[in-house]
Amino acid sequence: EVQLVESGGGLVQPGRSLKLSCVASGFTFNNYWMTWIRQAPGKGLEWVASITNTGGSTYYPDSVKGRFTISRDNAKSTLYLQMNSLRSEDTATYYCTRVRGNNYPYFDYWGQGVMVTVSS
Amino acid sequence: AIVLNQSPSSIIASQGEKVTITCRASSSISSNYLHWYQQKPGAFPKLVIYSTSYRASGVPSRFSGSGSGTSYSFTISRVEAEDVATYYCQQGSSNPYTFGAGTKLELK
Repeated sequence: EVQLVESGGGLVQPGRSLKLSCVASGFTFNNYWMTWIRQAPGKGLEWVASITNTGGSTYYPDSVKGRFTISRDNAKSTLYLQMNSLRSEDTATYYCTRVRGNNYPYFDYWGQGVMVTVSS
Repeated sequence: AIVLNQSPSSIIASQGEKVTITCRASSSISSNYLHWYQQKPGAFPKLVIYSTSYRASGVPSRFSGSGSGTSYSFTISRVEAEDVATYYCQQGSSNPYTFGAGTKLELK
């Protein structure tokens, strides 16, 4: 059974940093691209970052580029999201997802999500 | 960025009724690149349809999708109580990968 378990969320002040983790199990982690997607309270879904299976390439939207860094440790089957210079608009539930169809990506498994609140 | 416009934003339907959601893209995309998700209240999203018309594993046959170019649709042939959720379309055609704003399905 595929499982994705996020951790590391919490309350953080604007301008500070936070690092999220996602431990994967039930599949061969190093065969899959992975992605973080977020959802602000009461709002829709927003793609945040993707990483190839080897970690050799990463992708971001403009809203987080230069502030967020996605990485992975295939030996530990763990995905990370380093978030720097946090803003109030980064407040959201962050989901770790597995990617299928690398050339036309969709997200076939999701974690339960971890809440990040950016507030003074 | 490709913008996905979903309509309607909300639907109230009776059990057994057929419902259809439309997703219109601001630029033409290949049908391979359009996907649909279901998010039940208080839960994480779940993949329902990928590449326009392929049902994800375990998804009932009452869910279907179709479309091409800039216009795509998602249909529940006979709504059941367990289908109450918000449904999102998503495009994987180009970075940034974007989602529609969602369609909230409620039961009458």
